Amino acid sequence: QKEVEQNSGPLSVPEGAIASLNCTYSDRGSQSFFWYRQYSGKSPELIMFIYSNGDKEDGRFTAQLNKASQYVSLLIRDSQPSDSATYLCAVTSNFGNEKLTFGTGTRLTIIP
Amino acid sequence: DADVTQTPRNRITKTGKRIMLECSQTKGHDRMYWYRQDPGLGLRLIYYSFDVKDINKGEISDGYSVSRQAQAKFSLSLESAIPNQTALYFCATSDRTGGRGDEQFFGPGTRLTVL
Repeated sequence: QKEVEQNSGPLSVPEGAIASLNCTYSDRGSQSFFWYRQYSGKSPELIMFIYSNGDKEDGRFTAQLNKASQYVSLLIRDSQPSDSATYLCAVTSNFGNEKLTFGTGTRLTIIP
Repeated sequence: DADVTQTPRNRITKTGKRIMLECSQTKGHDRMYWYRQDPGLGLRLIYYSFDVKDINKGEISDGYSVSRQAQAKFSLSLESAIPNQTALYFCATSDRTGGRGDEQFFGPGTRLTVL
C-alpha cells in the first residue's frame, strides 16, 4: 500500500467552479501536510501547508485536514485556467523532519 | 538569480557511463535533497543531507551516491548509468527555522536520458 495516495485524474473543472483535490495517507503518526503545485515541465512549488485538524484558508485555497480519517484535501475556489497543473500532496512523519513522502499527484484542468 | 540551481539541465548519456548532477543553493539552508520523478510514480527521495556531515539514504538510493561538498553544494552521481535511471531529477533545500515550517524549495530539474 502506497503511503500517500491521490487520484491521478485528470480532473476537469469549469472556470469559476470549485476544484476539490483529495489525498489519503497511511501513517497515523504523520504530522505535517503539504500541497505543491507543479506546472508541466516545471519544478514543484508550495501553495499550502497544514498541521492541525480543520480548515486553513489562504486566498482562493483552503486546505482541510482530518487526522482521524487520515485524509487531507485542497479546495480551489473560483478556479482559473492558470490553476491547471498537477497538484502533489506530501506528508512528513515528525515535526522538524523534513523528509517528505509525496503522492503521485492529481492533474487538474480548468476548462474556460 | 535562482536560489536553487541545477546543472546540467538536460543530459543524454549511454549505459555504463558515470554521470554527476550538481546542485547549488544561495538560500543558506542546511538541508538538501535529491529526488527523481517518473510518470505515474511521483517524486521519490534518493538521498538527503541535514548538514555537511550528515548524509542519509532515501527510499531509492541503490545505484546512486552523493557528495555534500559544502553547505551550498550537493551532488548526485550515477556510477554506472542504466536506462531505468532515465527520469527528471530535482534538488531541493529546506530550512527548519523557516517561517513556513518544513517547506522545501526545488531547483529547476535535470532531465536525464540513459540510452
